[in-house]
Amino acid sequence: SYVLTQPPSVSVAPGETAKITCEGNNIGGKSVHWHQQRPGQAPVLVIYYDRDRPSGIPERFSGSNSGNMATLIISGVEAGDEADYYCQVWDSTSDQWVFGGGTRLTVL
Amino acid sequence: EVQLLESGGDLVQTGGSLRVSCAASGFTFGSYAISWVRRAPGKGLEWVSTISAGGGQIYYADSVKGRFTISRDNPNYTVSLQMNTLKAADTAVYYCARNDGQVGATTAIDYWGQGTLVTVSS
Repeated sequence: SYVLTQPPSVSVAPGETAKITCEGNNIGGKSVHWHQQRPGQAPVLVIYYDRDRPSGIPERFSGSNSGNMATLIISGVEAGDEADYYCQVWDSTSDQWVFGGGTRLTVL
Repeated sequence: EVQLLESGGDLVQTGGSLRVSCAASGFTFGSYAISWVRRAPGKGLEWVSTISAGGGQIYYADSVKGRFTISRDNPNYTVSLQMNTLKAADTAVYYCARNDGQVGATTAIDYWGQGTLVTVSS
């Protein structure tokens, strides 16, 4: 089955840029979606189809996808961005949604 | 406003059964696929099952295949997940989530419910 690999944790200071990676075999050929889950809350979609932002998501959130790696980029990180972030793709071989293991973003 | 409201979570014994449901509002329910995703304590998100808009296409994670059954009632805007032969590893918060269209590579999960807690214990 298709595997997505994320770093367990990323730490940045307020105002800096956070980059969260998601590795998968030829992931550039798939559409990647990113979800944010703050402690005790439901997940929220923050980036879909590699780089599109749903309404209400700040422009500080952006995404890229090429080759074997997709990246979620959060510029001007704020304390409220502290959360777990998950990448997600549809694996057409197995007809299953696949999530990465998640990355905990800590704002120092 | 899109809303998804889960219910039915409970404490159940190992080997038992439970049915969780999701009531939807704020969109044309019969035009969207619906998924269940869970998060076990200390773990990440895990996809469980997806049902297409019309109910004719159903998909399951290997970890629940043969034990869980997803269904939907389009006139009443509800989706259910029947869980049988429950194991301790099924303990999790179960989220109902909307696909932004049909099932497949050209869709995304765009809205989530607040979740319902299922605890399986001996």
